[in-house]
Amino acid sequence: RKEVEQDPGPFNVPEGATVAFNCTYSNSASQSFFWYRQDCRKEPKLLMSVYSSGNEDGRFTAQLNRASQYISLLIRDSKLSDSATYLCVVNARNTGFQKLVFGTGTRLLVSP
Amino acid sequence: DAGVIQSPRHEVTEMGQEVTLRCKPISGHDYLFWYRQTMMRGLELLIYFNNNVPIDDSGMPEDRFSAKMPNASFSTLKIQPSEPRDSAVYFCASSVEVKNTGELFFGEGSRLTVL
Repeated sequence: RKEVEQDPGPFNVPEGATVAFNCTYSNSASQSFFWYRQDCRKEPKLLMSVYSSGNEDGRFTAQLNRASQYISLLIRDSKLSDSATYLCVVNARNTGFQKLVFGTGTRLLVSP
Repeated sequence: DAGVIQSPRHEVTEMGQEVTLRCKPISGHDYLFWYRQTMMRGLELLIYFNNNVPIDDSGMPEDRFSAKMPNASFSTLKIQPSEPRDSAVYFCASSVEVKNTGELFFGEGSRLTVL
């Protein structure tokens, strides 16, 4: 089983739509969770951290469910510029916090 | 401020040849990571260094791969001999610390094609 699993998509949505991605992780001891964004043929960049109580950054909301071991990202009022691949990231098992494991990503396409 | 700098950006080589990828981390960052990205496997951590010392190389595929960090401002990833299955984008990333922020700063990547 992969440490971090995501639906690869693509998710095709019109501008203004709300879209949600889920990600599951296998290590119940994981402590740190993040969402990264990767544009086509570019490097990944940190989008936001995911906190236990849930957190929001503008149109983006991240949620963590430790019991079910999944993380979600909600994007409201989608913009064309949101088209990218979204990578779910958790710290690896038993290795401290410096080793981050990336999911394979969920591709989002926002159309006019 | 300069970000993480990688070279070459693109490399096309023939099977059996040696490949050397280079990375200059952001000044002041004491963690350096080498990742490999393919469509099938996504981003895989190969090795990471803390203060120039390799901490975890469990992701290095096999003995054909080696990485060094002779000083705080330079690292290399070497593949010898290269094989077609090594074709991927190789990213170098650096950070101050990851525990709380989770922020790795990636270079633009080195796209390797082995024929």
